Parts: sequence; structure tokens; C-alpha cells
Amino acid sequence: KQEVTQIPAALSVPEGENLVLNCSFTDSAIYNLQWFRQDPGKGLTSLLLIQSSQREQTSGRLNASLDKSSGRSTLYIAASQPGDSATYLCAVLTDKLIFGTGTRLQVFP
Amino acid sequence: DAMVIQNPRYQVTQFGKPVTLSCSQTLNHNVMYWYQQKSSQAPKLLFHYYDKDFNNEADTPDNFQSRRPNTSFCFLDIRSPGLGDAAMYLCATSREVTTYEQYFGPGTRLTVT
Repeated sequence: KQEVTQIPAALSVPEGENLVLNCSFTDSAIYNLQWFRQDPGKGLTSLLLIQSSQREQTSGRLNASLDKSSGRSTLYIAASQPGDSATYLCAVLTDKLIFGTGTRLQVFP
Repeated sequence: DAMVIQNPRYQVTQFGKPVTLSCSQTLNHNVMYWYQQKSSQAPKLLFHYYDKDFNNEADTPDNFQSRRPNTSFCFLDIRSPGLGDAAMYLCATSREVTTYEQYFGPGTRLTVT
């Protein structure tokens, strides 16, 4: 059974720091991995999608990497801003999308 | 803009009173999903439609039903809501079940009184 774990569960940093959020999964037989952002009480916003054959994807200040063989992905956020404060979820697609429980990020001015 | 729309955004229902949540999409995707997300938990897949084919998750309670009358619309029916059904309900779409990105709507927050 596929299990997805995210570390840390919560993170509080000053504005301007570069951050790394971690995601691990137990079964490497995945189609892709998605990183999402969720603001309190809101839906999910897709940030990055990495196909199983890819190693990384970049969008603006965000960079996500995938090491399928070791069951790990990282989301790198450069020069963090207060507007980045949210919960970040990773999810792997097997026969369905399986989510981690998220990392709650707070960036303070 | 093409998108996934959910109505209403907030729904309050009484214990045992049937409720229907709505999802529509302008992406013309084949697949539509319903997820349940309880507070501080990961979203959990309830079921999905591939076109008109309904696929129920094994652990989805019978209390939850779904309808997809056409490509654009999908409904979640909760026949007799209990207090434990209070949650955020998320609708998502994708072009195919595998490989493709899932796009999520803003969610409907359901409160059961």
C-alpha cells in the first residue's frame, strides 16, 4: 500500500529564506507526482507536476525534484515571502492520487 | 478562463437531511473526481467518473452517491448526512486517469448541525 509522508509537518521562517519541503513515498511505481498549495479553508492549487520519467520541474521561485528510485521529492522555495504562507501537499499518482498530510508553512515579515 | 467550479462554497445541512453538492468544468476533461478532506487531514478519494463510467472506492460509505449527467457536470449526493460527514468536499478533473495533472475546484465546506 502506497504511503506518502511529508516532513516537516510545520515550518515557520523569516521572509527571504530559501526553503526545502520534503516528501517521501513507499512505492516507486508512480505515474507522476504533484505539489499543491492549499490556503486555509480553500481548495488545492497545483504548483508543479513531475512525470515519473522526469527529474525536476521549475516554476518561478519554485523547483521540485523527483528521485523515484529512492521514493523522494523535494520542493525548493527560493526567497520566501509572506504570501507563500499556506499548506503544501504532495501527492503521487498510482491508480489514484494519494496525498501526504502536508507541511504548514508560515513566512513572517 | 477554463476552470473547475463548485457550488455552493459553503453548505449547512441538518443531521439526516439529504444534500447535493455541485461541480462543473469547462476543461472538457474525461475524468471527474470527488474527494473528502477533514480538518488537518489529507484529501481522500471517494469516487470518480471516467466519462459515464462510475468508479467507487472500496471504503466509500453507501451514504455517498454521485451523478454525472453530462461531461461538464458532476454531483455529490449525501443521502443522510451525519456529524462525521462535516468536511471540505473537493472536485477535481483530469484528461485521463493516469499520467495527467488533476485540477481542483475551490471546494465546498459542509457543516452538519
